[in-house]
Amino acid sequence: AQSVTQPDIHITVSEGASLELRCNYSYGATPYLFWYVQSPGQGLQLLLKYFSGDTLVQGIKGFEAEFKRSQSSFNLRKPSVHWSDAAEYFCAVKPGSARQLTFGSGTQLTVLP
Amino acid sequence: EPEVTQTPSHQVTQMGQEVILRCVPISNHLYFYWYRQILGQKVEFLVSFYNNEISEKSEIFDDQFSVERPDGSNFTLKIRSTKLEDSAMYFCASSEAGGGADTQYFGPGTRLTVL
Repeated sequence: AQSVTQPDIHITVSEGASLELRCNYSYGATPYLFWYVQSPGQGLQLLLKYFSGDTLVQGIKGFEAEFKRSQSSFNLRKPSVHWSDAAEYFCAVKPGSARQLTFGSGTQLTVLP
Repeated sequence: EPEVTQTPSHQVTQMGQEVILRCVPISNHLYFYWYRQILGQKVEFLVSFYNNEISEKSEIFDDQFSVERPDGSNFTLKIRSTKLEDSAMYFCASSEAGGGADTQYFGPGTRLTVL
């Protein structure tokens, strides 16, 4: 069965600093990969997704993620963090044949002024 | 922009009572899902639904759970006899198609508290 690991439970960065959130997956083939964000009291909003092709994908709100097959990773990045980026971030995978998403445990991002 | 809506936002119930959580998926979507997130834990898949039947379900989705699309717009999750451990945030999602490349859009969730 597929699994997703987000090694960092909580990350704190200063506003304007760069950000990288880690995600590693375990699956026999290349799954479909997603990053979602959850702000307090809100649902899960899709930031970006990778299906195939260019391994660097651009998403909303200035986020990007890079798929590295050799490392089974799909890390999320942003060059300059804004205070409004404070939220919980979830990496998720879905094998090609399945409908269910498998989520990581999430990384809580705190942004300092 | 179309969105998934869920009602109520918070439901409090007594153990053993039945609850129905409601969702209105995005109108042209054909696949519907329920997930839950127990406080402090991962978001977990419960069930997917297509063409008026369950297409996938997890081990969590046992006989006390059921789903239904009672009309052309609503999608419901029923828990027949709630237990304390059913306390969680329940998310509804929908997608246009069910394939791997399809994106699931999530609602804001219903927080269920079982006393």
